[in-house]
Amino acid sequence: QVQLQESGPGLVKPSETLSLTCAVSGYSISSGYYWGWIRQPPGKGLEWIGSIYHSGSTYYNPSLKSRVTISVDTSKNQFSLKLSSVTAADTAVYYCARHLGPGEAFDIWGQGTMVTVSS
Amino acid sequence: SYVLTQPPSVSVAPGQTARITCGGNNIGSKSVHWYQQKPGQAPVLVVYDDSDRPSGIPERFSGSNSGNTATLTISRVEAGDEADYYCQVWDSSSDPSYVFGTGTKVTVL
Repeated sequence: QVQLQESGPGLVKPSETLSLTCAVSGYSISSGYYWGWIRQPPGKGLEWIGSIYHSGSTYYNPSLKSRVTISVDTSKNQFSLKLSSVTAADTAVYYCARHLGPGEAFDIWGQGTMVTVSS
Repeated sequence: SYVLTQPPSVSVAPGQTARITCGGNNIGSKSVHWYQQKPGQAPVLVVYDDSDRPSGIPERFSGSNSGNTATLTISRVEAGDEADYYCQVWDSSSDPSYVFGTGTKVTVL
């Protein structure tokens, strides 16, 4: 079955760039679907960060757009998130997930990875 | 930006019906998705496109959407339904974006 697995540093210093990767197994990214990132600060709700298609086409949350870059590596069957100039407000569990297209539901999620921004 | 408002909490006795609302301006014109999230776990899709259920989700979960309110209904509530629930829509404005609701904690008494 399709599985998503996030990986990356659990601790990032303020003003630096947060980098995460989502490895996809059981499905080829090149076959279709959009691949997205969602985050959840401790004790708070969900926030969509952005999504990418295998062609490289992206959608970003307008509130984060200036700091976010999402890329895809079809050869490794994975996609990545970079969030620059982080602050403590970026501390959250970061999830990757799959959706059929813009507006479609996220049907498969990774387990999530906690990222703390602290010096 | 588009805002989705949910009640912070809903309490329900086992066997009864829980209704979770998601309010938004003319939300009836959008497709609404619902997620269940248990502590320490990733969200799980329970209803998509207002009222469709993914494979494996019990028929006890149903959805509706009209006017300014979408509703997730959980019939014959079980202890295992205790979780946070989030609605979600796609705001196809000039700068399109997914929007999540504020979340509702369902407590089974």
